[in-house]
Amino acid sequence: NAGVTQTPKFQVLKTGQSMTLQCAQDMNHEYMSWYRQDPGMGLRLIHYSVGAGITDQGEVPNGYNVSRSTTEDFPLRLLSAAPSQTSVYFCASSPTLGLLSTSLPSGANVLTFGAGSRLTVL
Amino acid sequence: AQTVTQSQPEMSVQEAETVTLSCTYDTSESDYYLFWYKQPPSRQMILVIRQEAYKQQNATENRFSVNFQKAAKSFSLKISDSQLGDAAMYFCAFLGFYGGSQGNLIFGKGTKLSVKP
Repeated sequence: NAGVTQTPKFQVLKTGQSMTLQCAQDMNHEYMSWYRQDPGMGLRLIHYSVGAGITDQGEVPNGYNVSRSTTEDFPLRLLSAAPSQTSVYFCASSPTLGLLSTSLPSGANVLTFGAGSRLTVL
Repeated sequence: AQTVTQSQPEMSVQEAETVTLSCTYDTSESDYYLFWYKQPPSRQMILVIRQEAYKQQNATENRFSVNFQKAAKSFSLKISDSQLGDAAMYFCAFLGFYGGSQGNLIFGKGTKLSVKP
């Protein structure tokens, strides 16, 4: 059981280049999300998905695209990289998130994170 | 919109001592979850403890416990018998179920904890 796997762990890009950060989970989680972490800013939500074929924007979506064609995969695409996108990116998943019910399993509203991807844009 | 505030950017504690990290949040909801996540130098995000707002009893996990004050919208983390391995960045997070941030975690900016031997 690998959990949440992110690739690559490190990447250096030039301004204007495009790339995709990959995220895969093998826990059959419906909810997946992407966060970016910047010094002094905590983690901010970029995009999220509540199931295959369903995606939505978070707090800082500009410059990023996502898709969710399968339950397992949730790639994050940078269309034209900018230095402001230099950051550490985290993918996270949950069986469900945001469902308020005492009948849900204990892991239902808990996020499992990947190991992070450090991206530098020159 | 919900906000999460961690007012202590850095904290320090002596090994074996107790330290308390502060977190306050702003919400109009009555049902929500609160979390503390730990991020060691390895960068991995690790769940430390979770509190459901409908539960009056404070959550505990071994040496980690919380002081949840719903009326004051306060959620502090107490680490007892601090160990060198507790040195990390700690993030407080809020999960609501209504409004603009429905179903997504909102994080504070973090508190960096150092443990002195």
